[in-house]
Amino acid sequence: EVQLVESGGGLVQPGSSLKLSCVASGFTFSSYNMHWIRQAPKKGLEWIALIYYDSSNKYYADSVKGRFTISRDNSKNTLYLEMNSLRSEDTAMYYCAKSNWGGGIFAYWGQGTLVTVSS
Amino acid sequence: DVVLTQTPVSLSVTLGDQASISCRSSQSLEYSDGYTYLEWYLQKPGQSPQLLIYEVSNRFSGVPDRFIGSGSGTDFTLKISRVEPEDLGVYYCFQATHDPPTFGAGTKLELK
Repeated sequence: EVQLVESGGGLVQPGSSLKLSCVASGFTFSSYNMHWIRQAPKKGLEWIALIYYDSSNKYYADSVKGRFTISRDNSKNTLYLEMNSLRSEDTAMYYCAKSNWGGGIFAYWGQGTLVTVSS
Repeated sequence: DVVLTQTPVSLSVTLGDQASISCRSSQSLEYSDGYTYLEWYLQKPGQSPQLLIYEVSNRFSGVPDRFIGSGSGTDFTLKISRVEPEDLGVYYCFQATHDPPTFGAGTKLELK
């Protein structure tokens, strides 16, 4: 069974940094592209970052480019999102998601971790 | 960026009714490889989103056949025949044909 478990969220001040983790199990992590998607309170979904299975390519939404870094450690089955220069508009639930080679960009989702940026 | 416009914003149904949600794209979603990367997700209350449909009309593993995706180019539809209680929540269309990938604003399916 595919499982994705995010952690690392919390309450932080504007301008600070935070690093989220997503531990994967139930599949060969090193074979799949992974994503981060976020959802501001009572709002819709926003894709923010993609990393290829072998870390060869990384892509970001303009809203986070230059401030957020996606990475992965295939030996630890773990996906990361390092977030710097956090702003109030980064307040959201952050989800990691796994792609499927056979179809489905976000075939499996974690339960999410909440990041609140406030003074 | 590609804008996906979902209608209606909310939909009130009686259990057993059919429901239909539209998703219109600001650009054609047919990719150069011939595939159309339009997907549908359902977010039930208090839960993470879940994949229902990929490449316009393919149901994901375990998705009941009452969910039917259709369309082409810029116009897409998700139909739910015989709505059941577990179908309630917010439906999002999503495109990955153009960079960056984008979601529609969502359609809330609720009981009348």
